[in-house]
Formats: sequence, C-alpha cells, structure tokens
Amino acid sequence: EPEVTQTPSHQVTQMGQEVILRCVPISNHLYFYWYRQILGQKVEFLVSFYNNEISEKSEIFDDQFSVERPDGSNFTLKIRSTKLEDSAMYFCASSELTNLGADTQYFGPGTRLTVL
Amino acid sequence: AQSVTQLGSHVSVSEGALVLLRCNYSSSVPPYLFWYVQYPNQGLQLLLKYTSAATLVKGINGFEAEFKKSETSFHLTKPSAHMSDAAEYFCAVEGGSYIPTFGRGTSLIVHP
Repeated sequence: EPEVTQTPSHQVTQMGQEVILRCVPISNHLYFYWYRQILGQKVEFLVSFYNNEISEKSEIFDDQFSVERPDGSNFTLKIRSTKLEDSAMYFCASSELTNLGADTQYFGPGTRLTVL
Repeated sequence: AQSVTQLGSHVSVSEGALVLLRCNYSSSVPPYLFWYVQYPNQGLQLLLKYTSAATLVKGINGFEAEFKKSETSFHLTKPSAHMSDAAEYFCAVEGGSYIPTFGRGTSLIVHP
C-alpha cells in the first residue's frame, strides 16, 4: 500500500540553524500538508500546498518557514533560523484531488525536531 | 469556525471491555469528521471518517463511530478492547475547508 515517507526520523539542531525536513507524498496525490505536534499537545496545521503554491497557512507559519516541491516527488519544509519552541514532531500529509475537493489526508511517520 | 473537544486525556480499560472515546465538535457548516490513531513513534493513521452518508461509520480494527447531529458528537467505540489498541486517538473535524482541526487526543490504556 502506498504511504507517505519522511526523512530524517529525528533531527537535532542548534538554535539559529536552518533545517530542512523532507517528505515524499503518495505519488498520485496533489495536495500536500505540513503539521506539527509539540510534545503533549494537539496536532496543529501549518500549511497546505497545491499546484506549486501555498493554498492555506496558519498563523504559526510565519516568515521563518517555507515549503517547496523541488522535483516531482519531494515536498520540503524549511525552517530558516530555528528557535527552541520549534522543537516538535512535524508531520507531512498528502491527499488526492476529487470532484469534491481534497480527499482524506494520509500522514507520514513524522520527523522529530529537537532544537538545543 | 470549527473546533473539537475530546473529553478525557486518558481512558483506561481492561482487555475485552468496551472502549468509548468521546468527541464533540463545533462547525458552522455540515462537517466531515475523522478519527485517527497514533501508535508510539508512528504517524497518524485514519481509523474512519464521516462524510454525510450513513451516520454509523465502521472503520478498521473493529472500531466504529456514530454521528449525532443533535448532540454534536462523534464518539468512537469498540466492543472489546485488545492490548494492541493502546495508542493515542485523535478526533478531527473539517467544516468547509480541507484543513482538519484536531482535538487534543485521548490516550487509550488497555490493562491485561
């Protein structure tokens, strides 16, 4: 069964450093998403991406964040200058486009980001 | 606007007992509703979803949920808990956008 994959599974970085989290969505999906989950808290939406541009973003997704689909398979989340409070699990998700819009989202296993 | 409230951050049951995880939602439009499960060190896996068809939705692993509009609820049940059901469960609502709002999650603990 097709699945969303994410690399790395765990990333440790120093405060102020840039990190890039990578995702490979399911191949025929057209909508892509990033979420984060701070330890012990709810899953929070960051951004959605369709047709090579951001379609929605939350207030969390400020200028420190950017997303890119550099080729036909990868979908990346970049954090330019990490802060301690960016430490969280980051989930990528993808969904098909149906005649009703975006379908069910399928989630990757997550990347745990630890900022020291 | 949309929101989800999951009652109880932890639910503890004995193996073989009924599982009931509560979810109440708020949505300004007819919602889509979801339950996801998260096993340790894994991502979110869709258990089931409600999309305005049958109000009783059956999902994977023997779970089901019933949409009750009058109670704005979408509680998750399973007749008989297994040890392997121990995980974090998230209810989510989509009301007019394709972006789900998640609840805080309920940790299901299953005792032998």
